[in-house]
Amino acid sequence: AQSVTQPDIHITVSEGASLELRCNYSYGATPYLFWYVQSPGQGLQLLLKYFSGDTLVQGIKGFEAEFKRSQSSFNLRKPSVHWSDAAEYFCAVGATPGAAGNKLTFGGGTRVLVKP
Amino acid sequence: NAGVTQTPKFQVLKTGQSMTLQCAQDMNHEYMSWYRQDPGMGLRLIHYSVGAGITDQGEVPNGYNVSRSTTEDFPLRLLSAAPSQTSVYFCAAATGGDDTQYFGPGTRLTVL
Repeated sequence: AQSVTQPDIHITVSEGASLELRCNYSYGATPYLFWYVQSPGQGLQLLLKYFSGDTLVQGIKGFEAEFKRSQSSFNLRKPSVHWSDAAEYFCAVGATPGAAGNKLTFGGGTRVLVKP
Repeated sequence: NAGVTQTPKFQVLKTGQSMTLQCAQDMNHEYMSWYRQDPGMGLRLIHYSVGAGITDQGEVPNGYNVSRSTTEDFPLRLLSAAPSQTSVYFCAAATGGDDTQYFGPGTRLTVL
């Protein structure tokens, strides 16, 4: 069975500092990986996704993530955090695109607090 | 184009009551899913559908029913609400080609 682990439940970062959120996955085949962001009281918004090709993926809002097969990781990064980046971030793994109804398995989430 | 809409936004039920959470999408996406979100557990899949007339169970289906009579609508029914079903419920829609799941704004349900 597939699983996703986000080791950090909370992260506090100063505005302007860099941010890295960790994600480790377990999946028996080629993983399809996603990062979503949830602002307070809102639904989930897709930041970026990885299906194949270049292992460094660029997303919206200045985020990027790097897929490392050898480490089963898909960490999310941002060079300089803005106060509006305070939110909860979810890593997810899915089955082959178009298969199994696009079922996603989510990690537990990492809540990011931005200090002024 | 409203995307994925959910009603109601908030609901309080008593134990044993039944209700239906509504989900509608105007993107003509074939895949729809229901997730529940609980603190520290991320989102867990309840039921999903790969098209009208086809549904299947996800990770945590007990206590919930779904049906998919049209492409647009995917209601989630709680047959006899229990306090363990207190959660935030999200509906999502996706298309097989893109695979991005588009989420609704959620329904916050409290069962007393």
